[in-house]
Amino acid sequence: DAKTTQPPSMDCAEGRAANLPCNHSTISGNEYVYWYRQIHSQGPQYIIHGLKNNETNEMASLIITEDRKSSTLILPHATLRDTAVYYCIVRVGTTSGTYKYIFGTGTRLKVLA
Amino acid sequence: DTEVTQTPKHLVMGMTNKKSLKCEQHMGHRAMYWYKQKAKKPPELMFVYSYEKLSINESVPSRFSPECPNSSLLNLHLHALQPEDSALYLCASSQERREGLSEQFFGPGTRLTVL
Repeated sequence: DAKTTQPPSMDCAEGRAANLPCNHSTISGNEYVYWYRQIHSQGPQYIIHGLKNNETNEMASLIITEDRKSSTLILPHATLRDTAVYYCIVRVGTTSGTYKYIFGTGTRLKVLA
Repeated sequence: DTEVTQTPKHLVMGMTNKKSLKCEQHMGHRAMYWYKQKAKKPPELMFVYSYEKLSINESVPSRFSPECPNSSLLNLHLHALQPEDSALYLCASSQERREGLSEQFFGPGTRLTVL
């Protein structure tokens, strides 16, 4: 299974962009990259996903390198409420016909006032 | 309705007890998941159900017994647990591969403490 590696923690000033990196060097061609965040041991919350192209939604942008071996999640204007653990996940298809979502170790982002 | 609900929110049980965790979704998702999450660790996949059949068992001890009574419900039956099984248990659902692309929706979790 593809695996992801993430820095354990990052700080970001409020109002600035938060750039969270992820390495997934063993990813296969049809495996998607997902990002989720988890606040205070609540259930993880979906942020964004992508395959090859860069993606943007109302929450964040996802930049995927051309070789797909790494990606960066960008929160354009971080707020205190963005303080959370951010997980980079690779979605893997299985022989049983379903998906497995392989979680990385997560980055604990702290947004500072 | 894009919500996954889990009951109970908190559960304390002894090592000889039998208890069950419940998960429910009404998004028409045909894949449902159980994860276990220890403190300061990422969620670890335990089981996956696809179209109400067990699709993946990540070598979980038999003291955890999953059940999918219908397409909206997922249970996790607990028996003779150990203190190290104390964790946050998360349920999730998503569309199945043949149905297209969808993200995984998580419930709020059940905080389990085994005494």
